[in-house]
Amino acid sequence: KAGVTQTPRYLIKTRGQQVTLSCSPISGHRSVSWYQQTPGQGLQFLFEYFSETQRNKGNFPGRFSGRQFSNSRSEMNVSTLELGDSALYLCASSPGQGAQYGYTFGSGTRLTVV
Amino acid sequence: SQQGEEDPQALSIQEGENATMNCSYKTSINNLQWYRQNSGRGLVHLILIRSNEREKHSGRLRVTLDTSKKSSSLLITASRAADTASYFCANVRANDYKLSFGAGTTVTVRA
Repeated sequence: KAGVTQTPRYLIKTRGQQVTLSCSPISGHRSVSWYQQTPGQGLQFLFEYFSETQRNKGNFPGRFSGRQFSNSRSEMNVSTLELGDSALYLCASSPGQGAQYGYTFGSGTRLTVV
Repeated sequence: SQQGEEDPQALSIQEGENATMNCSYKTSINNLQWYRQNSGRGLVHLILIRSNEREKHSGRLRVTLDTSKKSSSLLITASRAADTASYFCANVRANDYKLSFGAGTTVTVRA
């Protein structure tokens, strides 16, 4: 069974630009969550989507947004990039809503903002 | 901000020794999970313990949960060089099932 796939693996963007990251969950998993990981703040929850609806949201500014498609694939978008947005962005999928079961994580997208 | 704390921040042990790390959290939980991360890659789920469980085993891993003290511990027995990684505990809040990670413990196993 294929794992969680995140694309692209690496990305370099300039301040002020926007970026879209993609996540394909494990087949049959309907929940997709996004996390930002930085050395200073650790793993921070961004949002969770279940059945195309945002179910939970972390404390990030409105520049961070996401969506989920009918096939459960998810995208997250960051607009007006800032240097502090440089991070490893991790996507995780789960069969049910919330973290009642263990999450399966993708390998992440490493975003560098210059 | 993190919903919990882990200690120690770093641990260095000899191959064959046991490694123990602890985790504390603040709110009522549905379950608590432990993950491993190698060199900034994705996290790997190790074990999940529900709030009504006190101890769980998986291979060389043993997890305990004390909900009265809001704490958990992960024990890795007979460590191997391949166990070198960062280990994170993550608690799942009972009211909204949101998963929140601790700061992690970096474990180095010396050959």
